[in-house]
Amino acid sequence: KAGVTQTPRYLIKTRGQQVTLSCSPISGHRSVSWYQQTPGQGLQFLFEYFSETQRNKGNFPGRFSGRQFSNSRSEMNVSTLELGDSALYLCASSWETGTGHTVTEAFFGQGTRLTVV
Amino acid sequence: AQRVTQPEKLLSVFKGAPVELKCNYSYSGSPELFWYVQYSRQRLQLLLRHISRESIKGFTADLNKGETSFHLKKPFAQEEDSAMYYCALRPVGGNKLVFGAGTILRVKS
Repeated sequence: KAGVTQTPRYLIKTRGQQVTLSCSPISGHRSVSWYQQTPGQGLQFLFEYFSETQRNKGNFPGRFSGRQFSNSRSEMNVSTLELGDSALYLCASSWETGTGHTVTEAFFGQGTRLTVV
Repeated sequence: AQRVTQPEKLLSVFKGAPVELKCNYSYSGSPELFWYVQYSRQRLQLLLRHISRESIKGFTADLNKGETSFHLKKPFAQEEDSAMYYCALRPVGGNKLVFGAGTILRVKS
């Protein structure tokens, strides 16, 4: 079974640009979450999607957005990039029953390393 | 408030010594607690989940609701245990994880 796949693995962008990161969850997983990992702040929750609906959102500015498609693949977008957005962005997927009772742990991708210059 | 505290940034022990990585949490309900591990150049992966009550790679963790703790223990550390360890809680409803700051475990020979 293929794991969570994130593309691209590395990105270098200039301040002010925007970026889109992609995440393909494990087959059958409908819950997808995104996290930002930095040396200073650690792992911080960005948002979570289930069946194309955003279910939870972290404390990030509106420049950070995401979406989920009908095949459960997810994208996150960061607009007007700032130097402080440089981080490893992790995606995680989980299998969940239709009633919303989560039954598996989160499986993580290898991340996308974003560098803003 | 939802918070996970791992008081040690770095824990350095000798091979064969006991290990205890501390984790305390703050949550008003009954969360699920996890330990995740990140080995060098590898993805974050689950080590333990409190509801399964398993021992993985010799590690155990007991949820103490009275002390709101979920400490990770291993009686005899191995060099291959060297990694970053994260304690995390999942609040009821959804799949959001709240992580602690992480503890680097360094096992010396």
